Amino acid sequence: LAKTTQPISMDSYEGQEVNITCSHNNIATNDYITWYQQFPSQGPRFIIQGYKTKVTNEVASLFIPADRKSSTLSLPRVSLSDTAVYYCLVGALYNQGGKLIFGQGTELSVKP
Amino acid sequence: DSGVTQTPKHLITATGQRVTLRCSPRSGDLSVYWYQQSLDQGLQFLIQYYNGEERAKGNILERFSAQQFPDLHSELNLSSLELGDSALYFCASSPLGLAGGWTQYFGPGTRLLVL
Repeated sequence: LAKTTQPISMDSYEGQEVNITCSHNNIATNDYITWYQQFPSQGPRFIIQGYKTKVTNEVASLFIPADRKSSTLSLPRVSLSDTAVYYCLVGALYNQGGKLIFGQGTELSVKP
Repeated sequence: DSGVTQTPKHLITATGQRVTLRCSPRSGDLSVYWYQQSLDQGLQFLIQYYNGEERAKGNILERFSAQQFPDLHSELNLSSLELGDSALYFCASSPLGLAGGWTQYFGPGTRLLVL
């Protein structure tokens, strides 16, 4: 899987929009970009996945520029409950699954 | 609730002992994955099974082994335990399909403490 680089930590306040950027300069043509969220002592949870342009779901948006060498996870109007570690993963998996390689992630702290 | 169950929730044992962690995947998911999360190593992939067969292997020690049974539940066996094996062990499962491997549903984990 392609190596990813993301900030170790970020601080925000309730109600703000948070953007976490991930760099993946060596992304391959078949690679997808996926984000997971993990709360303390819980398993990671899939948030969103994209290949190019923009993807939006009920939780977040994912912006991917044309060169795909980076991506930005956008969390609208964060609350205290969004305090968690966010992982960016890049790679290609096969139909029957595959291993996820988690980096160190971005520890987001949301303050009142 | 992800639909993945793991037992036990907590496990305390001594060095040199052997333990078995159990995982039941979401209904219909054929793939099961095991991960280890420790403070110094982060979240590490150990091994994947698909419909009873080993599919992918990560940084799994020789002292560790896993299997997936016909009913699709999986067990992770850890033997000759060392202090450094103390960690959270997560099981995950995923649906079939091109995006399936990415959408892994993680269980609540088993916290292992080796004294």
